[in-house]
Amino acid sequence: EAAVTQSPRNKVAVTGGKVTLSCNQTNNHNNMYWYRQDTGHGLRLIHYSYGAGSTEKGDIPDGYKASRPSQENFSLILELATPSQTSVYFCASGDWGSGQLYFGEGSKLTVL
Amino acid sequence: GDSVTQTEGPVTVSESESLIINCTYSATSIAYPNLFWYVRYPGEGLQLLLKVITAGQKGSSRGFEATYNKETTSFHLQKASVQESDSAVYYCALGDTGYQNFYFGKGTSLTVIP
Repeated sequence: EAAVTQSPRNKVAVTGGKVTLSCNQTNNHNNMYWYRQDTGHGLRLIHYSYGAGSTEKGDIPDGYKASRPSQENFSLILELATPSQTSVYFCASGDWGSGQLYFGEGSKLTVL
Repeated sequence: GDSVTQTEGPVTVSESESLIINCTYSATSIAYPNLFWYVRYPGEGLQLLLKVITAGQKGSSRGFEATYNKETTSFHLQKASVQESDSAVYYCALGDTGYQNFYFGKGTSLTVIP
């Protein structure tokens, strides 16, 4: 069974602090994605990756960085967190063949 | 631009009634859009319900069906008789070529009353 795990599941941060959200997948998928979901919006793509060492900007990359050090791991980094980044973040992996995404359970971030 | 619009929730139906959740898409920069329905059951992660990659084709899963209509740019989700276990949040999504991005609707929360 495909598995994507995110950590932490819940995080409270202070404005200006650094936050790192981590994602690990055991699917051996090339593609990985970071989305955020807010009330009144669908999932919006922040960054994605085609494989180890690659990161690409999605639709809303401002204020976020990403890192893909290996096939399995994909991190989302908020260098200077702001209250507007309070949200639920979802990581996903996907393979080109099926086009199916496999999601983690989400990370709830609150920036005070 | 590329986007997905779906039925605003929440939607409440009684068990054994029929259901339709509307989804329309705009794929101005995607040559061959692929269409998906994802679902999140209470306490679980988002998971694929069904997908269709060819216009004119129908996808089905767990009693749900959706037909990819290129003429009306629609991909409505239908079920003839819902069950309480169908209570969940449903998301319509559009995938671009190479799956660089997936565009999701806002989600439709469905509650089925027994």
